[in-house]
Amino acid sequence: QVQLVQSGAEVKKPGASVKVSCKTSGYTFTDYYMHWVRQAPGQGLEYMGRINPNDGDTNYAQKFWGRVTMTRDTSISSVYMELSSLRSDDTAVYYCARVWATWSTDALAQWGQGTLVTVSS
Amino acid sequence: QSALTQPASVSGSPGQSITISCTGTSSDVGGYNYVSWYRQQPGKAPKLMIYDVSNRPSGVSDRFSGAKSGNTASLTISGLQTEDEGDYYCSSLTRTSTLVFGGGTKLTVL
Repeated sequence: QVQLVQSGAEVKKPGASVKVSCKTSGYTFTDYYMHWVRQAPGQGLEYMGRINPNDGDTNYAQKFWGRVTMTRDTSISSVYMELSSLRSDDTAVYYCARVWATWSTDALAQWGQGTLVTVSS
Repeated sequence: QSALTQPASVSGSPGQSITISCTGTSSDVGGYNYVSWYRQQPGKAPKLMIYDVSNRPSGVSDRFSGAKSGNTASLTISGLQTEDEGDYYCSSLTRTSTLVFGGGTKLTVL
């Protein structure tokens, strides 16, 4: 079955960078867009951006321009989200999420388990 | 991109119907038939309940239905059950091909 397994929790200092991985299995990796969504403690969902695993094309939410980079490694069916210049308000659970169908770009049907990133001095 | 507007909370009794609204602009909800709804229960990842305004993924109960009029989308849950409790989020594709989420609505089944 489809699985998205994310890397473990991270603790970072302000100004540092974090790279979260999302390893996939159970489907053809290059056929489905992958998105990243985060959720601060007790808050709602916040969209970060997406990557097309087929060609690596990315589209980031304006809020994260210049700070986020999404990449993929097709050899191991994994996507990555790197966020730089971390601040305390970047403390959140970060999710990777796959679209529901090959022709879809937006409906997120499969989610990773989430990765808690804590930014603290 | 501003978040879509949802009521903070709604409640209903078992067996009743409730509707959650999601208001955006012509640059998102009103401009595309790409509205999705998610339910998130405590400590879990969100679950897709509705996609493309009114379509249900396989396995989602037909008690869940979606609609859209102008810049406002809505999710209706009929025959409320206690298991329906959770936080509900809408999302929409935007003119920049990114997504935007609503602020979330907490559903309580009394």
